[in-house]
Amino acid sequence: GAVVSQHPSWVICKSGTSVKIECRSLDFQATTMFWYRQFPKQSLMLMATSNEGSKATYEQGVEKDKFLINHASLTLSTLTVTSAHPEDSSFYICSAHPPGLAREQFFGPGTRLTVL
Amino acid sequence: AQKITQTQPGMFVQEKEAVTLDCTYDTSDPSYGLFWYKQPSSGEMIFLIYQGSYDQQNATEGRYSLNFQKARKSANLVISASQLGDSAMYFCAMREGLRNAGNMLTFGGGTRLMVKP
Repeated sequence: GAVVSQHPSWVICKSGTSVKIECRSLDFQATTMFWYRQFPKQSLMLMATSNEGSKATYEQGVEKDKFLINHASLTLSTLTVTSAHPEDSSFYICSAHPPGLAREQFFGPGTRLTVL
Repeated sequence: AQKITQTQPGMFVQEKEAVTLDCTYDTSDPSYGLFWYKQPSSGEMIFLIYQGSYDQQNATEGRYSLNFQKARKSANLVISASQLGDSAMYFCAMREGLRNAGNMLTFGGGTRLMVKP
């Protein structure tokens, strides 16, 4: 199946710093990628839809100025958590989809962010 | 309103027995896909099985089968011959619209399955 990678797999940062997370589709091109956030013992919640060559679409309640998304190529989307705070500590997972009808959605391995 | 509902926050099953994880969904779109994912403690999302709304037969993948009851809007996952490695969180998810693989998934709250030796 298709492979989606994320980097880094985990990161610890100080409050007030910015953190960039990369999501790559390794063997296919993806015009759309999705960013999810998962708090401990909770489900995945969609944060935003990343569209190649255009602005991301954010879900209600997600601050677009805090969670910057850039989808500059068909294989790479980045999520930057700006001025991170402890409440931003979470598991961030991206997904990407090969073109056409897909009976499976491919997820990256996730990035665990801890803000001290 | 919740689009995907998993009513069992936690389940125990004896090793080698079968277990059913419940999932109900709500959509007005006649075209949709239903997914089950397994999430072990490592956090990765492992795809298990898919059922399209127009599929005539229930999906099966090895020890996993999906009991799809369209009129009831339920898509329960059945795991046969449970193994210790099946202990994990299980998420039911839905994608509305079949013709656009770019639609996002909506997830249920998850069920934690614990397999007893």
